[in-house]
Amino acid sequence: DVKVTQSSRYLVKRTGEKVFLECVQDMDHENMFWYRQDPGLGLRLIYFSYDVKMKEKGDIPEGYSVSREKKERFSLILESASTNQTSMYLCASSLQGAKGYTFGSGTRLTVV
Amino acid sequence: AQSVTQLDSQVPVFEEAPVELRCNYSSSVSVYLFWYVQYPNQGLQLLLKYLSGSTLVESINGFEAEFNKSQTSFHLRKPSVHISDTAEYFCAVSGANAGGTSYGKLTFGQGTILTVHP
Repeated sequence: DVKVTQSSRYLVKRTGEKVFLECVQDMDHENMFWYRQDPGLGLRLIYFSYDVKMKEKGDIPEGYSVSREKKERFSLILESASTNQTSMYLCASSLQGAKGYTFGSGTRLTVV
Repeated sequence: AQSVTQLDSQVPVFEEAPVELRCNYSSSVSVYLFWYVQYPNQGLQLLLKYLSGSTLVESINGFEAEFNKSQTSFHLRKPSVHISDTAEYFCAVSGANAGGTSYGKLTFGQGTILTVHP
């Protein structure tokens, strides 16, 4: 089975800190995605990447950036964390478009 | 642009009762449709999907969903629920055309929390 691993399950950061969320997949998938999950809002796409060094904005990219230097790793960066970025962050990868997404277990980020 | 509306934020039911979780979508292109499930403190797991062919799709644990193109719906049903079905369920849509701007991106609904009571 494809495995998508998010490096941290829980994180607590201070306002203004630069935060890195890491995601690694082990099945050579081209596509990788970052979503945030908030109660009542479902999952919203922040950024996605369809190849190394390629990235595209999702629906809510403001306050975030991403990096994909290697095919297996997709990092989400909060340049200056704010309290409204407190959320659950989910990484996913896929081989054939949306036909087969695999999600990581999520990182619950709290910004204080 | 695509959008998904899950019509119920919470659905409480008793064990062994039937349940329907409603999902409507809008899209200007052909779509793939999905239901994902999230158990407490876990990530999302694919429950079932419609890509093409038969409009009725089933999961291994007794759920089914029917793609209704005329009503732009993909409602999830189970004839008899168990306590273990308690979870949050997400409906999602993706464009079906390779190379289109929506290809590969999933748009999710707001989620429906299913709570099964003994």
